[in-house]
Amino acid sequence: DADVTQTPRNRITKTGKRIMLECSQTKGHDRMYWYRQDPGLGLRLIYYSFDVKDINKGEISDGYSVSRQAQAKFSLSLESAIPNQTALYFCATSESLAAPSNEQFFGPGTRLTVL
Amino acid sequence: LAKTTQPISMDSYEGQEVNITCSHNNIATNDYITWYQQFPSQGPRFIIQGYKTKVTNEVASLFIPADRKSSTLSLPRVSLSDTAVYYCLVGVRSGAGSYQLTFGKGTKLSVIP
Repeated sequence: DADVTQTPRNRITKTGKRIMLECSQTKGHDRMYWYRQDPGLGLRLIYYSFDVKDINKGEISDGYSVSRQAQAKFSLSLESAIPNQTALYFCATSESLAAPSNEQFFGPGTRLTVL
Repeated sequence: LAKTTQPISMDSYEGQEVNITCSHNNIATNDYITWYQQFPSQGPRFIIQGYKTKVTNEVASLFIPADRKSSTLSLPRVSLSDTAVYYCLVGVRSGAGSYQLTFGKGTKLSVIP
């Protein structure tokens, strides 16, 4: 079984709809992250969480919100989806170490299309 | 905000050594440099991480100069299966208790038979 899972794997929706992407992990890691990937732009950090009570904005948080329901679950929401949110979304986890950039383990990604 | 810069693409023949350099001139003094590999339709996968000088593992080496404003990922004797996109990642503290993780835009490596 995969250590980091994302649901759904693919989603097509319409402008204005509310969308939730879910991430679950069995690695027992405290830190979780949401990224989006666009062609030519690499991965950009949306939100990250160091533990259940900690949520931090990343580089591109506008238009997104997150919820850390438990150590193992981190959800990303688009309250009112717009076409330029069409992208590949990745969830990742890492251990809590002193260094900010410790090894991250990525899920398989969710491909979101907003029409 | 830290900015990372790396070449968009590189080509190499099988069996050659490949070096990919990433510039990160705003890296904070306490941050590591991490490199990831990504295949199509998959999430990135950790390759190697370092703080200074040289780090080597079973798949790659990482060279970091004393000023830490750049790093070079070295892949020895590449094979066709090394065709992928390679990303550098730098974390920079942006305030008390917070930091920004910044990926480079990725270098697409194509290995030619």
